[in-house]
Amino acid sequence: GAGVSQSPSNKVTEKGKDVELRCDPISGHTALYWYRQSLGQGLEFLIYFQGNSAPDKSGLPSDRFSAERTGGSVSTLTIQRTQQEDSAVYLCASSGAGLAGRTTDTQYFGPGTRLTVL
Amino acid sequence: GENVEQHPSTLSVQEGDSAVIKCTYSDSASNYFPWYKQELGKRPQLIIDIRSNVGEKKDQRIAVTLNKTAKHFSLHITETQPEDSAVYFCAAPPDARGQNFVFGPGTRLSVLP
Repeated sequence: GAGVSQSPSNKVTEKGKDVELRCDPISGHTALYWYRQSLGQGLEFLIYFQGNSAPDKSGLPSDRFSAERTGGSVSTLTIQRTQQEDSAVYLCASSGAGLAGRTTDTQYFGPGTRLTVL
Repeated sequence: GENVEQHPSTLSVQEGDSAVIKCTYSDSASNYFPWYKQELGKRPQLIIDIRSNVGEKKDQRIAVTLNKTAKHFSLHITETQPEDSAVYFCAAPPDARGQNFVFGPGTRLSVLP
């Protein structure tokens, strides 16, 4: 596609339910990032993929959060047993390959998924 | 790991005036510095970036300057317009141990008519 897409655009769920968020990166981009942004706040890094592997999972807030990427393309972020504090906009971004495994290319963001946990 | 600070956190200017936002970083090996603009309810979008082999880059009313010795880079917006009102984020690439970009906390710019 022409840009990064995410689905769903909005998700309302009940506390304790599991949710799955999807990200389709720009075709050919090898790097994929997930961020969380609470209302009026900055970008909180969650996880980074280079191809299908995740060399940096340091930002995942708890073991209720997991992410995978298959075929070097689509990624899903799963939140199990959602809590009210999980409510936020979840942003995905992708970029081209960096040099020697280091990421130096511009990140292009998707429109985000607004998650509301009741 | 990389640490990025951004100042000020909020900035109000009169339409037509200039605005300057500054970021400092910690990893001297960092070599690429983008600035993103995020309008209310929208995704962050790249507005300008600079690589470490140059000290300044300009694109119409927007410019970025880089001081590698002092490890800081700044966004300059001249002749500000109401549509420049947004949150601006700087970012720096990671140090040798990490691979994710580190974003600054953001600056909320308000251009008053």
